[in-house]
Amino acid sequence: DAKTTQPPSMDCAEGRAANLPCNHSTISGNEYVYWYRQIHSQGPQYIIHGLKNNETNEMASLIITEDRKSSTLILPHATLRDTAVYYCIALNTGTASKLTFGTGTRLQVTL
Amino acid sequence: GAVVSQHPSRVICKSGTSVKIECRSLDFQATTMFWYRQFPKQSLMLMATSNEGSKATYEQGVEKDKFLINHASLTLSTLTVTSAHPEDSSFYICSARVPRSSYEQYFGPGTRLTVT
Repeated sequence: DAKTTQPPSMDCAEGRAANLPCNHSTISGNEYVYWYRQIHSQGPQYIIHGLKNNETNEMASLIITEDRKSSTLILPHATLRDTAVYYCIALNTGTASKLTFGTGTRLQVTL
Repeated sequence: GAVVSQHPSRVICKSGTSVKIECRSLDFQATTMFWYRQFPKQSLMLMATSNEGSKATYEQGVEKDKFLINHASLTLSTLTVTSAHPEDSSFYICSARVPRSSYEQYFGPGTRLTVT
């Protein structure tokens, strides 16, 4: 699975949109981009995933560039409860499908 | 969404004893479950992949005789840490893969193991 690169940390004011970038320049055509987050001392939580098109669900939006080399997770109205480590993972669902977690981005939402 | 539970949430044991951690998928059947370990301020590290009815596949560097995994049913996988030592103290997390086309995984809340 392709390596992903994320900034180590970001801050966001409560109520504002949090835009978390992810670089996956070596992603292959059959690899999806998955996003998970982990709130302190809890198990990771699935957020969203996509292949080529932009995706939106009740939690977030995922914007994938046309060349698929990068993506952005958008939390439209961040709250304090969104403070967590966010992981971007490139995954080939056609193979062993093992999630490999990198270091992620620690998002701190502040008042 | 799919729910995965773990039991116990916290356990303290003495060095040399064994500890069993259970992982259950509550509202779906999981043919594949995964076990992770997370040390403080570090990311999750995959330990092994557990397939129902067959032997687990361990990641490189994980001792299969120390971390015994059993996946006897479609809703239950267990991890037994045998002869635990203080360096085994960690946060153990399981996940279960939902066998849909998108293959997202759902994680348990984790088990904090402290070996004294």
